[in-house]
Amino acid sequence: NAGVTQTPKFRVLKTGQSMTLLCAQDMNHEYMYWYRQDPGMGLRLIHYSVGEGTTAKGEVPDGYNVSRLKKQNFLLGLESAAPSQTSVYFCASSSPLAGGPDEQFFGPGTRLTVL
Amino acid sequence: AQTVTQSQPEMSVQEAETVTLSCTYDTSESNYYLFWYKQPPSRQMILVIRQEAYKQQNATENRFSVNFQKAAKSFSLKISDSQLGDTAMYFCAFMKPRGGADGLTFGKGTHLIIQP
Repeated sequence: NAGVTQTPKFRVLKTGQSMTLLCAQDMNHEYMYWYRQDPGMGLRLIHYSVGEGTTAKGEVPDGYNVSRLKKQNFLLGLESAAPSQTSVYFCASSSPLAGGPDEQFFGPGTRLTVL
Repeated sequence: AQTVTQSQPEMSVQEAETVTLSCTYDTSESNYYLFWYKQPPSRQMILVIRQEAYKQQNATENRFSVNFQKAAKSFSLKISDSQLGDTAMYFCAFMKPRGGADGLTFGKGTHLIIQP
């Protein structure tokens, strides 16, 4: 049981390049999330998904796109990377419980640098 | 929209001491969930403790406990008998009552340093 995994762990891009971050979970969770963490800031929600084939915008969605074609995978895309997108990206997943939320399980993070 | 404020960017205490981290939040919701997460240098996010707003009793997990004051919108974390392994960033987080569908709103964090 690997939990939540993220690929890649590190990446350096040049401004204008594109890339996709992959998140995978093996816990059969319904909900998946992408957050970014910048120095001096907490994690901020980029996009999230409440089920296969569905996505929604979070607090800071501009410049990112997402897809959830399979329940276990949640992809985060940067079409034209900008230096402002230099950050650590975290994926998380959880499952709704009657009477309250389940714990969000986080991946190890991806450190992205845009030059 | 809800906001979460952690007013202590950094704290330092001696090993075995008790330390309290502060968190305040603002929301118009009547029911919600609050969390404390720990992020050690490994970067992994680890759930420390959670509190459901409709529960009067403060949550406790071993050496970690919270002081939840709903009227004051305050949710502080107390760490008793602090250990070197408690050195980490600590984030307070808020969740609306939709089973987690909307994700978490985090504070900016408190860097806790436990001195030997």
